[in-house]
Amino acid sequence: AQKITQTQPGMFVQEKEAVTLDCTYDTSDPSYGLFWYKQPSSGEMIFLIYQGSYDQQNATEGRYSLNFQKARKSANLVISASQLGDSAMYFCAMREDNYGQNFVFGPGTRLSVLP
Amino acid sequence: EAGVVQSPRYKIIEKKQPVAFWCNPISGHNTLYWYRQNLGQGPELLIRYENEEAVDDSQLPKDRFSAERLKGVDSTLKIQPAELGDSAVYLCASSLRTDRPFYEQYFGPGTRLTVT
Repeated sequence: AQKITQTQPGMFVQEKEAVTLDCTYDTSDPSYGLFWYKQPSSGEMIFLIYQGSYDQQNATEGRYSLNFQKARKSANLVISASQLGDSAMYFCAMREDNYGQNFVFGPGTRLSVLP
Repeated sequence: EAGVVQSPRYKIIEKKQPVAFWCNPISGHNTLYWYRQNLGQGPELLIRYENEEAVDDSQLPKDRFSAERLKGVDSTLKIQPAELGDSAVYLCASSLRTDRPFYEQYFGPGTRLTVT
């Protein structure tokens, strides 16, 4: 079974608009972390934001915020005020603290920001 | 502070040839990961090291892939012999393992392998 699901292969957003990238996960480990990475065409994976399973508040980092709904097992990334440089692949990942501690990545969503 | 260094950046080889990738993690990072990323997909873990010990190599195709991390610093991933299906980007990442729940992975630029 897929541990990380990203149902949007591609998304378009107008410059300066907000966009939400979906991520759902599957785990029975009570302690886990959720990560979002950006991969531009240059290929390097860039860390964006982290949410721990015990964190009470949604994580925010500048224009990035994570809409964490634990009961639904979703961890959607919200990018506010999109910029042309946000065009890239976005990956959701999970690390299970008690089940191996490896990072598992989703299939990714390609975001295209339109001028 | 220097990031994760990988070489070569690109490699083209014929099938059945051997190939090796090198990774130097961020100084002081105990944990080192090798991932394979097929076109249009997310990275998949091949092997994870804690210092010089391979703590998870369950996804490494051991018939043709091998890895080592001598002295717990830099690491080499080898494929022998390469097959057409090995064409992918091979990513190395490192993290500073702590007792805190959060530790971020830092990725290198990757090696793009093309097997012809």
